[in-house]
Amino acid sequence: GIQVEQSPPDLILQEGANSTLRCNFSDSVNNLQWFHQNPWGQLINLFYIPSGTKQNGRLSATTVATERYSLLYISSSQTTDSGVYFCAPDTGGFKTIFGAGTRLFVKA
Amino acid sequence: ETGVTQTPRHLVMGMTNKKSLKCEQHLGHNAMYWYKQSAKKPLELMFVYNFKEQTENNSVPSRFSPECPNSSHLFLHLHTLQPEDSALYLCASSRIGQNTEAFFGQGTRLTVV
Repeated sequence: GIQVEQSPPDLILQEGANSTLRCNFSDSVNNLQWFHQNPWGQLINLFYIPSGTKQNGRLSATTVATERYSLLYISSSQTTDSGVYFCAPDTGGFKTIFGAGTRLFVKA
Repeated sequence: ETGVTQTPRHLVMGMTNKKSLKCEQHLGHNAMYWYKQSAKKPLELMFVYNFKEQTENNSVPSRFSPECPNSSHLFLHLHTLQPEDSALYLCASSRIGQNTEAFFGQGTRLTVV
């Protein structure tokens, strides 16, 4: 099956800093999602991005499907950005597979 | 609120109990999923239902029994669980077709004692 690798596994930022999270995947994908899991376990949809670039406020994402990676950019980080960020590609057949996540802590 | 509702939010059960987790989606989707998230592990896909038909069973032990009576409701029946089954159980739904963006419920945090 598809392998999903996220980096870095852990990240500590000072409030206001920018960061880039990376997701590499081993197979071609039909779509790819980025999620933020808050401390209560809720998975919040950030981006549905099979290819190209999208922006939503301080967050943006880029997927280069031909090179099998996706990037999530967080600018001007805030303490509320803390949590775990998951990349989840779908190879078809409704199998959305999750990476191990990047655990982000933003210090005030 | 994502349009996917899970109940209960927390559940503590003994190893000899039988309980059920419920998931309901109000998004008009026709695929539903169960995922398991154990501590310090990625989310694991357990079951997939596509138009009420099970299309994926990811080698899940038979003590977990899913049921999908219609495309809006999904259950996970639990019996004779083990302590290592303690985890966060997440339900999701999506469309079938071009836009397959998945939306998740808030999860049921299960503790088996």
